[in-house]
Amino acid sequence: SQQGEEDPQALSIQEGENATMNCSYKTSINNLQWYRQNSGRGLVHLILIRSNEREKHSGRLRVTLDTSKKSSSLLITASRAADTASYFCATDWGGAQKLVFGQGTRLTINP
Amino acid sequence: GAGVSQSPSNKVTEKGKDVELRCDPISGHTALYWYRQSLGQGLEFLIYFQGNSAPDKSGLPSDRFSAERTGGSVSTLTIQRTQQEDSAVYLCASSAAPGGTEAFFGQGTRLTVV
Repeated sequence: SQQGEEDPQALSIQEGENATMNCSYKTSINNLQWYRQNSGRGLVHLILIRSNEREKHSGRLRVTLDTSKKSSSLLITASRAADTASYFCATDWGGAQKLVFGQGTRLTINP
Repeated sequence: GAGVSQSPSNKVTEKGKDVELRCDPISGHTALYWYRQSLGQGLEFLIYFQGNSAPDKSGLPSDRFSAERTGGSVSTLTIQRTQQEDSAVYLCASSAAPGGTEAFFGQGTRLTVV
């Protein structure tokens, strides 16, 4: 069972450009999280945004949440080659407490 | 330990054999998750443990899959009579509270069924 869908599935940009990834989900949520995965192994938490928040910043990351559209976006500004990774959104599915992930966006930053 | 530990890191098994995958969560974390990830795909939810509550097994793909969590700490995912389609990376994560908080992931077990 999957909750979220990321868009695009793959994104390739030049170093220094901004990268935007989108996530749509199906049920009501308490919060939404974004994770990063390098080399197909463990994921690392990036940022969490609660359902009553509309925007959140952390360093070069900016996350927005639109609960009316059931969607979120992750913006990475001034991208670096080291940002190359897969990015996933995750939600507590309908308040069921389990953490459910989307399919991910594979981001490639070209030097 | 400092982080979530999974063992083994890699496992190659013959079709039809049983395998056990182990996860040591961060000490004190009450929530524990198992996911499966096929090459280039997203994370497929398998099972979720929270404290002493009955686990959410809704993601287990068949009755060949089972998991337990002993003493609220270590968890074992067992796959019986393995099939080639079971080949994937199995990821474990733990968090200090239910689904709405940051989850910490292990490095996964890469299972290959030949």
